[in-house]
Amino acid sequence: DIQMTQSPSSLSASVGDRVTITCQASQDISNYLNWYQQKPGKAPKLLIYDASNLETGVPSRFSGSGSGTDFTFTISSLQPEDIATYYCQQYDNLPPGYTFGQGTKLEIK
Amino acid sequence: QLQLQESGPGLVKPSETLSLTCTVSGGSISSSSYYWGWIRQPPGKGLEWIGSIYYSGSTYYNPSLKSRVTISVDTSKNQFSLKLSSVTAADTAVYYCASSSGRTFDYWGQGTLVTVSS
Repeated sequence: DIQMTQSPSSLSASVGDRVTITCQASQDISNYLNWYQQKPGKAPKLLIYDASNLETGVPSRFSGSGSGTDFTFTISSLQPEDIATYYCQQYDNLPPGYTFGQGTKLEIK
Repeated sequence: QLQLQESGPGLVKPSETLSLTCTVSGGSISSSSYYWGWIRQPPGKGLEWIGSIYYSGSTYYNPSLKSRVTISVDTSKNQFSLKLSSVTAADTAVYYCASSSGRTFDYWGQGTLVTVSS
């Protein structure tokens, strides 16, 4: 099974800061890596798919990069509404399956 | 736009079977464009994929839960269902149903809390 290691587990930053979260896969997953935002009491929301593609309607301050085993999620300028927990998620097609990272809880400093 | 809604008991006794249904609206569950999945989240913890089903009935399960999970689809009702047997307190979680276009989970239900307790 592919394991996903996401870091940090929590992060405190100020409005306007650049925020970076990383996700490492235990083996090559090409670009099969997605990022979700989850606000308290709500279902997760897809932000980035296939490592670097912005989902329709998602603000451009969110971005993703990487391939193979190492991936990065960035918020270029943190906004108060970005307070949430962020998860990476990989897709494995042999056999089909999905694994989420442990999550990063983002707070305002 | 797809909408998904989970339904089922909020309290299940240990050793019994958890049963949930997801009703899909705004699209057909028979569409070849989607897989249908279940994901859970224990209180205060992260997300865990449980399994997915294609409209044809092909199923894929998390290996850690495979022995206890059954996911099925009812095309006549535009619903799919989850059964998790022999539950323990460790199965207490918010259970989400979601649609998947393959590699992503695109639309999610609001989630339903299931507590395992006697």
